[in-house]
Amino acid sequence: AQTVTQSQPEMSVQEAETVTLSCTYDTSESDYYLFWYKQPPSRQMILVIRQEAYKQQNATENRFSVNFQKAAKSFSLKISDSQLGDAAMYFCAYRSPSNFGNEKLTFGTGTRLTIIP
Amino acid sequence: DSGVTQTPKHLITATGQRVTLRCSPRSGDLSVYWYQQSLDQGLQFLIQYYNGEERAKGNILERFSAQQFPDLHSELNLSSLELGDSALYFCASSGRQYTGELFFGEGSRLTVL
Repeated sequence: AQTVTQSQPEMSVQEAETVTLSCTYDTSESDYYLFWYKQPPSRQMILVIRQEAYKQQNATENRFSVNFQKAAKSFSLKISDSQLGDAAMYFCAYRSPSNFGNEKLTFGTGTRLTIIP
Repeated sequence: DSGVTQTPKHLITATGQRVTLRCSPRSGDLSVYWYQQSLDQGLQFLIQYYNGEERAKGNILERFSAQQFPDLHSELNLSSLELGDSALYFCASSGRQYTGELFFGEGSRLTVL
């Protein structure tokens, strides 16, 4: 079974600075998807960024980018120019490719990010 | 707005009672997933339905059951409720075109007193 580990329960960053959240995962599959979801105080689960394992290029969405190291099974999220609205719980998640009965997302335990004004 | 609708948003009930949470997936999505998030915890997968049939099961208690109806909406039934069942219950759906991500509803917050 796949597992996702987020070793940083809490992180903080000064507004406008850059922060990196860590995520490692364990899998025997060669093709899969990785995600970062954000959960603000409203509790809504919001997709931040997605990475397909077969793509070597790291995904980028505006101020959010990932460092995907497939061999190391590492998937970190970098937030540049941090803003107060970035304060949230961030979850790393793994998903197998479409495969009968194995399509769920497996989540890490989350990292609570605080933005310091 | 993800397009996934969950009702009710909040629910308070007593131990021993039974509740039903409802989920309408995004238009056209055939898969529905249920997750449980206890206070300040990660999301635990409960169960997945695909086009009306159970497709995968996670750590779902025997007191809990779910189904997906022909119109693709899903219901999660929680019975003999205990204090520890208090949590945020999320429904998510995924589309015909497999792009990987799940689209989450806003959740149903259940409080058992």
